[in-house]
Amino acid sequence: AQSVTQPDIHITVSEGASLELRCNYSYGATPYLFWYVQSPGQGLQLLLKYFSGDTLVQGIKGFEAEFKRSQSSFNLRKPSVHWSDAAEYFCAVGAVSNYQLIWGAGTKLIIKP
Amino acid sequence: DGGITQSPKYLFRKEGQNVTLSCEQNLNHDAMYWYRQDPGQGLRLIYYSQIVNDFQKGDIAEGYSVSREKKESFPLTVTSAQKNPTAFYLCASQLRDTFSRSNQPQHFGDGTRLSIL
Repeated sequence: AQSVTQPDIHITVSEGASLELRCNYSYGATPYLFWYVQSPGQGLQLLLKYFSGDTLVQGIKGFEAEFKRSQSSFNLRKPSVHWSDAAEYFCAVGAVSNYQLIWGAGTKLIIKP
Repeated sequence: DGGITQSPKYLFRKEGQNVTLSCEQNLNHDAMYWYRQDPGQGLRLIYYSQIVNDFQKGDIAEGYSVSREKKESFPLTVTSAQKNPTAFYLCASQLRDTFSRSNQPQHFGDGTRLSIL
């Protein structure tokens, strides 16, 4: 079955600390992978995407993610978080021939001052 | 600037009433989507449309209806058959890159929060 798992419902980190949000997927075809961020009461904003090529992708707001095919993972990282990064983060996977995305349940990031 | 506009931002439904959520995009995107978001459940697909005058059911289409008469517009009607409509509804659009046959990312509106009176 196709699925996306974000194992952490909530993560709390101190401002200035590093961050890693986990995303594991199960998908039969070559995956296209995405990370989106959602602030409360808002829509989703694309942080970064992986289609092919270099497995380390850079996104907006200082985020990066690494595609590891052997581990079926696409973890999101940031070296130093800011209070404005507090939001919910969603991982999604799709395929070139498929318009539909499969979404993870999201990870809520809480920043400690 | 191009984007996706959802209206209204807040909507209240009475028992037995149908309500329609608006979604308009000026990105010239081919595909449009409606998602429902409930706390702790991520996004669930209601309906999607790849071209004008065509749409397909998603995972939770029961109690909802859509139309796609124009490329720019994809309204969602929440019917009285939807017994638990309270949720945050998100509309998205996507460009189909016909040259490389790749999908581009979905772009989202700011959502409509629907509640029951």
